[in-house]
Amino acid sequence: QVQLKESGPVLVQASETLSLTCTVSGFSLTNYGVIWVRQPPGKGLEWMGIIWRNGNTDYNSALKSRLSINRDTSKSQVFLKMNSLQTDDTAIYYCTRDEIDYWGQGVMVTVSS
Amino acid sequence: DVVLTQTPPTLSATIGQSVSISCRSSQSLLDSDGDTYLNWLLQRPGQSPQLLIYSVSNLESGVPNRFSGSGSETDFTLKISGVEAEDLGVYYCMQATHAPWTFGGGTKLELK
Repeated sequence: QVQLKESGPVLVQASETLSLTCTVSGFSLTNYGVIWVRQPPGKGLEWMGIIWRNGNTDYNSALKSRLSINRDTSKSQVFLKMNSLQTDDTAIYYCTRDEIDYWGQGVMVTVSS
Repeated sequence: DVVLTQTPPTLSATIGQSVSISCRSSQSLLDSDGDTYLNWLLQRPGQSPQLLIYSVSNLESGVPNRFSGSGSETDFTLKISGVEAEDLGVYYCMQATHAPWTFGGGTKLELK
């Protein structure tokens, strides 16, 4: 069955770089894209970016200068890297398939000053 | 970027009541391929979002048919015909016509 699971550090220092991994199963990254979405505590959803099935990427305009999304298709993994973290980057980070039909459970990342 | 404005921000309902949520887009969501990529999601407390409706009016597999979607271009509506307790949570519209994709601000459905 289709599954996505986020992993990575739960606590990151301000000004450092966040690295998260989305490990997928039940589908191929060459057939589906993967999206990263985040949600600050008590707030709404923010679309961060996508890596398409062909490996191309699109990013949220507000995050583009700090964000990169890559993948390893052989390992069925998608990677998010975001630098220059600030406290308002504290959020639950989700990955989801590009049809937004399957979501990971999310990982809560706290940025400490 | 496309801005999606949802109203109302909060909705109070009794069990069995029918309710509607509006989502207005800052630009047309009609794609050059003829489809309109406006989706509705529900996020229950403490859970990941789940897809309810895709491309304006198509019910995702397993979603009860009391949910329905309608609209075109820039104005869209999600209707729940007979709210049930499991429907409580925050509803989001999301557009996937224009990159970057964007979400509405959310509508919280609570019990009256």
